[in-house]
Amino acid sequence: SQQGEEDPQALSIQEGENATMNCSYKTSINNLQWYRQNSGRGLVHLILIRSNEREKHSGRLRVTLDTSKKSSSLLITASRAADTASYFCAPGPITGRRALTFGSGTRLQVQP
Amino acid sequence: ETGVTQTPRHLVMGMTNKKSLKCEQHLGHNAMYWYKQSAKKPLELMFVYNFKEQTENNSVPSRFSPECPNSSHLFLHLHTLQPEDSALYLCASSQDRESGRAPLHFGNGTRLTVT
Repeated sequence: SQQGEEDPQALSIQEGENATMNCSYKTSINNLQWYRQNSGRGLVHLILIRSNEREKHSGRLRVTLDTSKKSSSLLITASRAADTASYFCAPGPITGRRALTFGSGTRLQVQP
Repeated sequence: ETGVTQTPRHLVMGMTNKKSLKCEQHLGHNAMYWYKQSAKKPLELMFVYNFKEQTENNSVPSRFSPECPNSSHLFLHLHTLQPEDSALYLCASSQDRESGRAPLHFGNGTRLTVT
């Protein structure tokens, strides 16, 4: 399977706290992407990290990638109620099927 | 506004009906995708089109029939559906079919209910 598996399945935190979500995958990758989905809406691309990068930042988002462990993490700092959503990782495989596939995601609830 | 527009947003249809979902993108992308998102299940890739040609069919039942007349438009024709086909159907586009190298842009989906 080329899809990522997110952990935990659900996460509930207070506004202002940091949220960390993890992703594990099985294939060799070209890059890894993170997406957010608000309830009943489409997925929104957040950040792409290439296989030769170890860390990347975008605003309050920090993504790390460890290709030796086939894992990635997404950190959202100083969370807000508006960050409440499901978060998905999507490994971009080097070989095999090219279209992205997705796991079940992490459902993040940020309490105001 | 995502640049990918799906219509209708909601659709209720009987098992004997024929309906179509429409997706339109104005991002200049060459690849378009249909995904299905059922309750409590991961997103399922259904079809992939690249430059109007179908490049992937993920063992989707024939009651779902895609059509891609040009790189900007994608349809999903539905007929003789089952209640278990009720789901959120998401359309996406990307610069090319190797979406692992470029971000996907999703529409907001069509919520389909089959009665």
